[in-house]
Amino acid sequence: DAGVIQSPRHEVTEMGQEVTLRCKPISGHDYLFWYRQTMMRGLELLIYFNNNVPIDDSGMPEDRFSAKMPNASFSTLKIQPSEPRDSAVYFCASSLSQQGSGTDTQYFGPGTRLTVL
Amino acid sequence: SQQGEEDPQALSIQEGENATMNCSYKTSINNLQWYRQNSGRGLVHLILIRSNEREKHSGRLRVTLDTSKKSSSLLITASRAADTASYFCATDVAYNTDKLIFGTGTRLQVFP
Repeated sequence: DAGVIQSPRHEVTEMGQEVTLRCKPISGHDYLFWYRQTMMRGLELLIYFNNNVPIDDSGMPEDRFSAKMPNASFSTLKIQPSEPRDSAVYFCASSLSQQGSGTDTQYFGPGTRLTVL
Repeated sequence: SQQGEEDPQALSIQEGENATMNCSYKTSINNLQWYRQNSGRGLVHLILIRSNEREKHSGRLRVTLDTSKKSSSLLITASRAADTASYFCATDVAYNTDKLIFGTGTRLQVFP
């Protein structure tokens, strides 16, 4: 398996523009997570899906952020309009259903480094 | 606020030495996981320890868990330059086992 795939790897855009980040989870995984990582705030969970359904979006910072998972093999995170403070590395991760008690291992993609000028 | 906080924030050692990183958390957990992140890369899972376990080994890694103190430690023995990375602990919470909450990380630098 190729692992979790994210695109683009780098994105530079200007303030006010729409940004779309893409993620393909590992086949067979039914959980998908979007994280944001910055020096100041560390690794933050933005939203996660189970079987393509958004379960918890409490980490989404503002209405400018939205995420979708139209099918089991694809998810997008959209920022519209983007602002300089959105500059960060965005990670997608996937995991299997819990095998027993507790949360299963998460497999991370390489991340998308977003710079908003 | 973060569920897990690592200590120290940064650690520099020579090759061959052991590296110990500590993690403290706040709420009851089902399991605790350690991840590694090389610069510019995604996180990679290292080891998982369940709340009813006290110690676990994987190669040069040794993890301990003390649920009474809400703390865990990661020991890397005989470190190598290739171990240079950031290390994160992550916990679920007893009331929601779907997601992980990551700590602040320890940046480990191993000098050859």
